[in-house]
Amino acid sequence: AQSVTQLGSHVSVSEGALVLLRCNYSSSVPPYLFWYVQYPNQGLQLLLKYTSAATLVKGINGFEAEFKKSETSFHLTKPSAHMSDAAEYFCAVSGNSGNTPLVFGKGTRLSVIA
Amino acid sequence: GAVVSQHPSRVICKSGTSVKIECRSLDFQATTMFWYRQFPKQSLMLMATSNEGSKATYEQGVEKDKFLINHASLTLSTLTVTSAHPEDSSFYICSARNPGHLNTEAFFGQGTRLTVV
Repeated sequence: AQSVTQLGSHVSVSEGALVLLRCNYSSSVPPYLFWYVQYPNQGLQLLLKYTSAATLVKGINGFEAEFKKSETSFHLTKPSAHMSDAAEYFCAVSGNSGNTPLVFGKGTRLSVIA
Repeated sequence: GAVVSQHPSRVICKSGTSVKIECRSLDFQATTMFWYRQFPKQSLMLMATSNEGSKATYEQGVEKDKFLINHASLTLSTLTVTSAHPEDSSFYICSARNPGHLNTEAFFGQGTRLTVV
């Protein structure tokens, strides 16, 4: 069974500061991992995904994440936070079937302070 | 890229009435779609897996007679909230994955904000 743990339900950073959102996973099969962003009253938008190719994955809006098997982690980072990055971020894990739902973490709300 | 369209984005209904939410996959045939419910400031809770041409699979604790799911075609799944009550007020989101790719991400609809008054 797959599961995801996001450490920190709320992260607050200053504009221009490093963003680090933590995600640890548990999976009985080689995992596919995803980060999504959700703005208020909207669906989820894919930021990036790990699919067993490169361990460092670059996504949209300057975000990237590194897959570390030894640490079962897939933390999301961005070198410099923008006000527009304020949103809810979800880490998710999938098995190896396209007919199974993603398993989501509880989410981390990112606040960016001017 | 692939797109999932959900309609309506917002609906207000009276207690006791039924509301239908549509979810369409626009760029691929989705044999399976997923319905989620999201409470304020919380993560997505999987309600059910919608299977084209067969019965939906409901998660534990989800009333299948309350939340009727129909997946009559490869591009359309509907969720009907029957005899809605104020406690059914929530944000409902559908999702689909392209079954042709094992490592595909899930594509999400825009969500439906249901308010039962």
